[in-house]
Amino acid sequence: ETGVTQTPRHLVMGMTNKKSLKCEQHLGHNAMYWYKQSAKKPLELMFVYNFKEQTENNSVPSRFSPECPNSSHLFLHLHTLQPEDSALYLCASSQAGPGGEQYFGPGTRLTVT
Amino acid sequence: SQELEQSPQSLIVQEGKNLTINCTSSKTLYGLYWYKQKYGEGLIFLMMLQKGGEEKSHEKITAKLDEKKQQSSLHITASQPSHAGIYLCGADMRGNEKLTFGTGTRLTIIP
Repeated sequence: ETGVTQTPRHLVMGMTNKKSLKCEQHLGHNAMYWYKQSAKKPLELMFVYNFKEQTENNSVPSRFSPECPNSSHLFLHLHTLQPEDSALYLCASSQAGPGGEQYFGPGTRLTVT
Repeated sequence: SQELEQSPQSLIVQEGKNLTINCTSSKTLYGLYWYKQKYGEGLIFLMMLQKGGEEKSHEKITAKLDEKKQQSSLHITASQPSHAGIYLCGADMRGNEKLTFGTGTRLTIIP
């Protein structure tokens, strides 16, 4: 248990569905992250939020829409996904700024059919 | 080529033996982070290194960052089944919290 929770743990959705992934951290951190982990590829940073403000969008397609209502919660809204978007989506949190280690949630395994 | 290379990609080691995993960067690092991941699960933070020549240990795992801050090694002494998993290095290459990760090393421990 790292203090970062993610729901759901598994999600199967069709290409026309809309779904959301949720992340919550109980560590008092002020930075939150979404990562994508695909088979045989390095972990890819998608979005970064510092103090609820988005500070990084790593050229992510608009079918992925993040939302950070407060420093403890992070959402990833999904719509019109493609099969190649199937992956493990990981949330992490840290203290903002360099040198703060990131703590990861267990991930959501997403399958797009 | 990748900005951050890990080697080997996979490793099979007999229980009780020592092993080393390497992480090499194409750029000078502001910080280097080691994580362990069980298949399909989240990453568990192991250690962070920031200073050239720095070495840290936790139980039977030791990590070092070389003087030029472009390479790190993770060494496990007297490996145990609990050490099995995927080891990932993450690098701060920009002086902020945005990390670049290697492709990982899959470690298998055999009896």
